[in-house]
Amino acid sequence: KQEVTQIPAALSVPEGENLVLNCSFTDSAIYNLQWFRQDPGKGLTSLLLIQSSQREQTSGRLNASLDKSSGRSTLYIAASQPGDSATYLCAVNGDYKLSFGAGTTVTVRA
Amino acid sequence: GAGVSQSPSNKVTEKGKDVELRCDPISGHTALYWYRQRLGQGLEFLIYFQGNSAPDKSGLPSDRFSAERTGESVSTLTIQRTQQEDSAVYLCASSLGSGGSYGYTFGSGTRLTVV
Repeated sequence: KQEVTQIPAALSVPEGENLVLNCSFTDSAIYNLQWFRQDPGKGLTSLLLIQSSQREQTSGRLNASLDKSSGRSTLYIAASQPGDSATYLCAVNGDYKLSFGAGTTVTVRA
Repeated sequence: GAGVSQSPSNKVTEKGKDVELRCDPISGHTALYWYRQRLGQGLEFLIYFQGNSAPDKSGLPSDRFSAERTGESVSTLTIQRTQQEDSAVYLCASSLGSGGSYGYTFGSGTRLTVV
């Protein structure tokens, strides 16, 4: 069974600081990995999708890396803003089923 | 539609009543998933549809839970004789093709409260 762990569980930073969110998974036989953002009381918004053959993906201030062999992914958010405050979820896709981490709750202080 | 649509957005029901939750996936998405998120916890997989068949129902917690899908369109998750532990946000996702190669798009969820 795939186990997904996200560290840290919570993070509070001043505006402008860079964020580093970590995700690890136990089974490296994955199709892809997807990072989501969840705002309180809302659904999930997809941020980045990395296929198993890729090393990284970038979208604006967001960059996600994937090291499949070691079972790790890192989400970097540059120059954080208060609007980045949310819970970030890492989801690993192994054979059509997503396995989720518990998330990292980020607070960016103005 | 432009996104995955779920209804109702909120549902309060009395213990023992049956409830139906609806998911309308993105047009053309053949794969549809249901997940559950209890307060303060991670997402739990419930069931996966490919077209109108369900190759994996392994996440359904008990026989009180059932789901169906009409063609490659709307899906309904039914919970019979609701219990307080069923209180959660139920999230639906769809994906183009099987295997999730193109990633998953989630709806906003249905918040179910059993009182």
